[in-house]
Formats: sequence, structure tokens, C-alpha cells
Amino acid sequence: DAGVTQSPTHLIKTRGQQVTLRCSPKSGHDTVSWYQQALGQGPQFIFQYYEEEERQRGNFPDRFSGHQYPNYSSELNVNALLLGDSALYLCASSLVSTAEYFGAGTRLSVL
Amino acid sequence: AQSVTQLGSHVSVSEGALVLLRCNYSSSVPPYLFWYVQYPNQGLQLLLKYTSAATLVKGINGFEAEFKKSETSFHLTKPSAHMSDAAEYFCAVSDNFGNEKLTFGTGTRLTIIP
Repeated sequence: DAGVTQSPTHLIKTRGQQVTLRCSPKSGHDTVSWYQQALGQGPQFIFQYYEEEERQRGNFPDRFSGHQYPNYSSELNVNALLLGDSALYLCASSLVSTAEYFGAGTRLSVL
Repeated sequence: AQSVTQLGSHVSVSEGALVLLRCNYSSSVPPYLFWYVQYPNQGLQLLLKYTSAATLVKGINGFEAEFKKSETSFHLTKPSAHMSDAAEYFCAVSDNFGNEKLTFGTGTRLTIIP
């Protein structure tokens, strides 16, 4: 079992661009949550997807959007990138319980 | 709103000494509490979780935590530190156990002195 996999591992973008991050959940898990971890901070909840719909959302602007596919994999899209969007983006998957399995993350740098 | 406060952004202990990482929570409902560990350039790994069963929770790698409602605390301990315990530790809270969002503390970096 590969666990939670995220791609790419690193990404460099410039301000104003758009980015898509991808996540494949642990086998058998149907819920995917996304978190943003700024340098030196704890992760902050962005949103959660279940049955291809956004079920919960944290305090993030509409520039942050997502999608979940029938195979439970998920994407995080960020439009109009700001310097402050530079962070480690973590994906977590779960089935029934609160997120127990996290991926290694995608480190996004916005220049 | 729920929150957790981790006292001490950096903690250093000698190898073989007791590890104590502090976490206090604030919640208007009975909380569900978690400890995660993050090694450099890696994601989060769940160490242990409190879900209103036993107040003393045992986790992986010899760690344990005790839920104390009167002190609103959920401190993480390990009797004897090992070099491999050096990492960042995060306490987190949710108001439900079942796919609810986690609210994390700011983390404590644990350094082990040889």
C-alpha cells in the first residue's frame, strides 16, 4: 500500500499564476482533506472532499478550489497566486475517522 | 471555536531523559485530541489520539498522553528519549471524531542532546 501520495513534490510559480496540486488517497479511503502549512506554523485546514463534493471548508478565499474524482483522488487549485501562498500543502485521507494518514506534501514557492 | 496552545516552540532533552511536550486546549464541546509528528521534509504521522475512552492514551514509538479535563491539557510524554525522536510535534483538536477538520497548534521542535 503506497499510502497517501502527492504530486509534484516541489513547485515554483510566479505571482498571478495558477497551480494544481494532486493527491491520491490511501487505498480504501474515500475522504480527502487539504491543509496549508506555512513555514514555522502548524497546518491549517483548507477544505475536505467526500463523494466528490466539498463537505467542509476552512477560512480560505475562493481562489482556493478543489475537486474529487470517482476514484477518490483529489486536486487542489489555487488561482491568482500571492507570495503568501508559499507553503507546504498537505493532503490527508481517511475513512470514517479523522485524518490519520498524511502525504509528504507539495512545497509551493511563489516568486 | 476550538484551539490548542503548545507551550514551548523548542524543547531540548538529553538522550535517555524524559520527554514532556505540553498542549492545552480550548473547546466548547468535549474535544477529540491528537498528537502528530513531522520529520524533516515529510508529512505528518499520527502518534496517538484521545476519543473519550481511556484518559491515558498510548501511542506509537513509546509515546503516551494523558487527557486532564480539569487542566484542559493533553501533554505528550516518553520516559526515555532516543535520538530518532528529534522532530516537530503538533497537537491538534477536533470537535468530532469522524472526518472533522483538525485545528493544529504551532508545533514544538524537539532536539535530542547526545
